[in-house]
Amino acid sequence: SQLAEENSWALSVHEGESVTVNCSYKTSITALQWYRQKSGKGPAQLILIRSNEREKRNGRLRATLDTSSQSSSLSITATRCEDTAVYFCATDTNAYKVIFGKGTHLHVLP
Amino acid sequence: EAAVTQSPRSKVAVTGGKVTLSCHQTNNHDYMYWYRQDTGHGLRLIHYSYVADSTEKGDIPDGYKASRPSQENFSLILELASLSQTAVYFCASSEWGAGNTLYFGEGSRLIVV
Repeated sequence: SQLAEENSWALSVHEGESVTVNCSYKTSITALQWYRQKSGKGPAQLILIRSNEREKRNGRLRATLDTSSQSSSLSITATRCEDTAVYFCATDTNAYKVIFGKGTHLHVLP
Repeated sequence: EAAVTQSPRSKVAVTGGKVTLSCHQTNNHDYMYWYRQDTGHGLRLIHYSYVADSTEKGDIPDGYKASRPSQENFSLILELASLSQTAVYFCASSEWGAGNTLYFGEGSRLIVV
């Protein structure tokens, strides 16, 4: 079973709308990371939120972390077509390993 | 900007043949990782390393070996390639490992026929 898992396989929104991707995880963590992968590229980190933080922002992106429910969310406001990508959450299971969820495919429609 | 380069970017291999995927980083990072990506499975960790001349098994190491001859280089070796190893492989580096940003390469697409 997945140690980190996004709650949706795919989401579609229209440009300008907001969207939230959710993630649940199963272990105690040092930090939770959100990555975005565009077609044909490697993943790139969007936000890293540490276990003692509850919220982190990066421009139009906002990540939250709830360690009591072992869940996190990534919200994107004012979506653009270029936000179309796969979004992953990733957690650490020990000092060395970073484990990714299966990803949420986000489609932003014109 | 972190730089992780992978080679080859694309390869067709025959079943039973040997395949070596190479990764080079110029970030001066101690940690390096090899992930495999398949549709429906996300990114799965194959091997990782936190120091030169040492490698560790990830979650799906069977059928793969890894080599870390220097801090900059990390290779993934398929001694006997199989059809099930057709996938896209990503290398990544990070400064301190878990809890720190991973910088990924562009990926190596491997097709085993």
